[in-house]
Amino acid sequence: QVQLVQSGAEVKKPGSSVKVSCKASGGTFSSYAISWVRQAPGQGLEWMGRIIPILGIANYAQKFQGRVTITADKSTSTAYMELSSLRSEDTAVYYCARGGAQLPRPFDYWGQGTLVTVSS
Amino acid sequence: EIVLTQSPGTLSLSPGERATLSCRASQSVSSSYLAWYQQKPGQAPRLLIYGASSRATGIPDRFSGSGSGTDFTLTISRLEPEDFAVYYCQQYGSSPPCTFGQGTKLEIK
Repeated sequence: QVQLVQSGAEVKKPGSSVKVSCKASGGTFSSYAISWVRQAPGQGLEWMGRIIPILGIANYAQKFQGRVTITADKSTSTAYMELSSLRSEDTAVYYCARGGAQLPRPFDYWGQGTLVTVSS
Repeated sequence: EIVLTQSPGTLSLSPGERATLSCRASQSVSSSYLAWYQQKPGQAPRLLIYGASSRATGIPDRFSGSGSGTDFTLTISRLEPEDFAVYYCQQYGSSPPCTFGQGTKLEIK
């Protein structure tokens, strides 16, 4: 059974950075892409970017270019999302999700979500 | 970037009724790479439909998807109490970036 387990909730100051982890188990980590999707309070889903661990290639949504870095550690089957220059509008639940690497696939498994609160 | 527009924003129905949710794309979605997700409060989204019309593992057959090109529909044939939630469509064929619709809230009338 595939599981994605994320790190715990974070409270950050404006201007700082946050790094959220997503540990995969039960599947072949490197064969898929891991995407990061965020959801602000009461809002919809917003794709931030993804990484293909087997290639080490990351792609980012234009909105987050320069502010987000997605990495993966194949040895521990863990993906990371680091968001810098945090502002109050970044307060959201951040999800990791498994999708396709070389072929398009929907997001069939999701992490439980990590609440990041940005507040002074 | 493909923009997905869902309608209606809110749908009020009673258990046992039929629900029809719409998702319209700003340009054609390649090979019908269109998915539907259900999200309940405090939970991660759950994949319901992929490839526009294929049910994901464990999804009841009262859920069905249809459509191609720019117009897609999610139908719930007979609403159960647990079906009241928010539903999102997603195109994943032109990923990156994939995009989501803004969601349809299905509420109890």
